[in-house]
Amino acid sequence: AQRVTQPEKLLSVFKGAPVELKCNYSYSGSPELFWYVQYSRQRLQLLLRHISRESIKGFTADLNKGETSFHLKKPFAQEEDSAMYYCALREGGGTSYGKLTFGQGTILTVHP
Amino acid sequence: GAVVSQHPSWVICKSGTSVKIECRSLDFQATTMFWYRQFPKQSLMLMATSNEGSKATYEQGVEKDKFLINHASLTLSTLTVTSAHPEDSSFYICSARGPASFTDTQYFGPGTRLTVL
Repeated sequence: AQRVTQPEKLLSVFKGAPVELKCNYSYSGSPELFWYVQYSRQRLQLLLRHISRESIKGFTADLNKGETSFHLKKPFAQEEDSAMYYCALREGGGTSYGKLTFGQGTILTVHP
Repeated sequence: GAVVSQHPSWVICKSGTSVKIECRSLDFQATTMFWYRQFPKQSLMLMATSNEGSKATYEQGVEKDKFLINHASLTLSTLTVTSAHPEDSSFYICSARGPASFTDTQYFGPGTRLTVL
């Protein structure tokens, strides 16, 4: 069965410092990975997906199949980045198409 | 675009009563919607996948007779918590698979806080 692990429940950094939120996964098929973010009192929203290889709000994430990781990185954290971040894995085709498995989440706090 | 709403945003009910939560895709049609449960500062746990016009697919350990899901139209899915008990108190979130060309993206509702007394 698929599994997503975010080893850090809490992560604190100072403004301007680099930040890395870790995500590891286990999945027998070809994974599709996502990062979702939930700001205080707001709904969950997609931050980025590995397929598009895009950078959103300065965040990037590279899928490393050898290490089964999809860590989220930003070189210079901002206070407005403080939020809960979820790594998620999407199953492939068949009846499970679209189903997301979420990691436990990491609360990022960026101090001024 | 691609906005998902939930109603109500919060509800308090007595033990033994039933509560219905609605999930609507406001500006797109969603053949597939998902229902999650989230405990405080914890992850989202998928409860079931709701497909328009067919029976929902429940995850292992989720009682389908307790959590009734109906997806009668392309823009509405409902979750009914039957005979609610205090342990059912939680934050329930729905999501809808995006419209054409965005079907690999899920759009989330704001969630419904259920408190069972």
